Amino acid sequence: EVQLVESGGVLVKPGGSLRLSCAASGFTFSNAWMTWVRQAPGKGLEWVGRIKSKTDGGAIDYAAPVKGRFTISRDDSKSTLYLQMNSLKPEDTAVYYCTTESGFLEWLGRGQGTMVTVSS
Amino acid sequence: ELVMTQSPATLSVSPGERATLSCRASQSVSSNLAWYQQKPGQAPRLLIYDVSTRAAGIPARFSGSGSGTEFTLTISSLQSEDFAVYYCQQYNNWITFGQGTRLEIK
Repeated sequence: EVQLVESGGVLVKPGGSLRLSCAASGFTFSNAWMTWVRQAPGKGLEWVGRIKSKTDGGAIDYAAPVKGRFTISRDDSKSTLYLQMNSLKPEDTAVYYCTTESGFLEWLGRGQGTMVTVSS
Repeated sequence: ELVMTQSPATLSVSPGERATLSCRASQSVSSNLAWYQQKPGQAPRLLIYDVSTRAAGIPARFSGSGSGTEFTLTISSLQSEDFAVYYCQQYNNWITFGQGTRLEIK
């Protein structure tokens, strides 16, 4: 079954750090561009960043609000995508989704995202 | 930053009727435009990409059109399962989303 399953979301204090994971299965992860998207409670979708496949150069891009604080990485041997989040702010509170990307985004399987709450 | 603006914010339509949702880009996005559907408590689902190509498994009642800066998602005959929030997204210059249109039952 083709799916992406996010994990790692918790309640964390402002200024804290957290690492999210996204486990992929059912497709050739190493060939995929992968993206993180977030959705604050009751709000719309926001692109966080992407990592290209190694065969396409492996470049990583970030949205302005997270650049310098968040780091996207991948472990193709484990078919897993990561999002390291540092210096967290209350405005980072959101459900975080991972998707494949071909420009447009595909949420695979029944992943529900993972909730990150930044609060004191 | 390339801004995507969707209208209306909320659209009330009766089942069986046609729904037309709009999306405007602050500058041309060529044909790099997608539409997503999101139901409460669920992840978004890709409906349309490259303006008018339906994703796998998407019913033919969903259609997309437009070019440049003006785009439309049309649902030809609304079914009960179509009432949801719809987002447009451009991928011509990084990625940005519209703020969403809530499609509700009239």
